[in-house]
Amino acid sequence: GENVEQHPSTLSVQEGDSAVIKCTYSDSASNYFPWYKQELGKGPQLIIDIRSNVGEKKDQRIAVTLNKTAKHFSLHITETQPEDSAVYFCAAMIQGAQKLVFGQGTRLTINP
Amino acid sequence: GAVVSQHPSRVICKSGTSVKIECRSLDFQATTMFWYRQFPKQSLMLMATSNEGSKATYEQGVEKDKFLINHASLTLSTLTVTSAHPEDSSFYICSAFRDRGEKLFFGSGTQLSVL
Repeated sequence: GENVEQHPSTLSVQEGDSAVIKCTYSDSASNYFPWYKQELGKGPQLIIDIRSNVGEKKDQRIAVTLNKTAKHFSLHITETQPEDSAVYFCAAMIQGAQKLVFGQGTRLTINP
Repeated sequence: GAVVSQHPSRVICKSGTSVKIECRSLDFQATTMFWYRQFPKQSLMLMATSNEGSKATYEQGVEKDKFLINHASLTLSTLTVTSAHPEDSSFYICSAFRDRGEKLFFGSGTQLSVL
């Protein structure tokens, strides 16, 4: 089955700098890759996603890139702010299967 | 994004009692919902897939008689932790699959503490 590896497990950056979180997946049939942000004591919130027919997607300060050949995708956050501090999860899904496989999570800390 | 409501957000109960957690999709219909368990500082662990009008599908190692799932309508799934024990204490999260756009949205989670 699908396996998703996420790195790093923790990331600390200065406010205003950029943060990058990377994930790799194993099943080449996966074609949907969402990213979730989870704050303490809350459920994950979908922040951006990408499908295998595109290589990059951007939404304001957040962007996701996908390399199908290498089977990896990344989350990029620019101009980081303290409210970006949270745990971020990547995931992969085979279209039609509806079941997501999650990465291990990255705890992002933005230092003022 | 779509809204998935989960209640209660926190529950404390005595060992041996049963606890019911509700998950509702407020602005879309969900034929499929999922239930996860999350331990501190860990990723989400899928417990079961809830399908409207049919029996839930449980992941390996999850006791179906312990964690009863009912998905009686297109907007509501419930998880009942039966005869709860301290080792059942955890953060439980539901999610609902929206067919439009094929996206998965999560509830706010329920922190269960069994004394």
